[in-house]
Amino acid sequence: EIVMTQSPATLSVSPGERATLSCRASQSVSSNLAWYQQKPGQAPRLLIYGASTRATGIPARFSGSGSGTEFTLTISSLQSEDFAVYYCQQYNNWPLTFGQGTKVEIK
Amino acid sequence: QVQLVQSGAEVKKPGASVKVSCKASGYTFTSYYMHWVRQAPGQGLEWMGIINPSGGSTSYAQKLQGRVTMTRDTSTSTVYMELSSLRSEDTAVYYCARVPTVTTGAYAFDIWGQGTMVTVSS
Repeated sequence: EIVMTQSPATLSVSPGERATLSCRASQSVSSNLAWYQQKPGQAPRLLIYGASTRATGIPARFSGSGSGTEFTLTISSLQSEDFAVYYCQQYNNWPLTFGQGTKVEIK
Repeated sequence: QVQLVQSGAEVKKPGASVKVSCKASGYTFTSYYMHWVRQAPGQGLEWMGIINPSGGSTSYAQKLQGRVTMTRDTSTSTVYMELSSLRSEDTAVYYCARVPTVTTGAYAFDIWGQGTMVTVSS
């Protein structure tokens, strides 16, 4: 099973600032990596797939990069609605696995 | 619009079984695999398994083999997830989520159900 490790566990950021979230895979997942946003009491929402392709309706301030084992989600200028937990997920190998999440909180 | 609507919250005793439904609408039911993902309170996301609504074939996470069963009813565009021999560690929100069948089934989940809370308590 591929283990996905996200860092940091919590990121404190002021509105308008940039946030950079990391995700590392225990072995290569090529570009088969997705990012999700989850707010309290809600289902996850797909932000990025294929490591760098924004899902339908996702604002351009969200961007993804990386391949192989190292991936990054960048939120260029944090809005109030962006404070949430973010998960990465690999879909290169079965079983599908998720990182433990990064909580982005207001500084 | 495209949506997945799940059944309501459940409270079960240890050793019992639970069956959660996920009704699809707004798209061709057989054109998307359905996955189940669960999330224990305050924890991360755990993949449980996948069903192909077209033929009914399934694949489950190894740790749940023997306890989980996924089925579908094409006449109502509904998939079901049944988990047996429940224990306290199964307390979680259970989500269904779809993936297009043009893929191998391993892909990003673009639409999720709203989640169903299952509480296992004596």
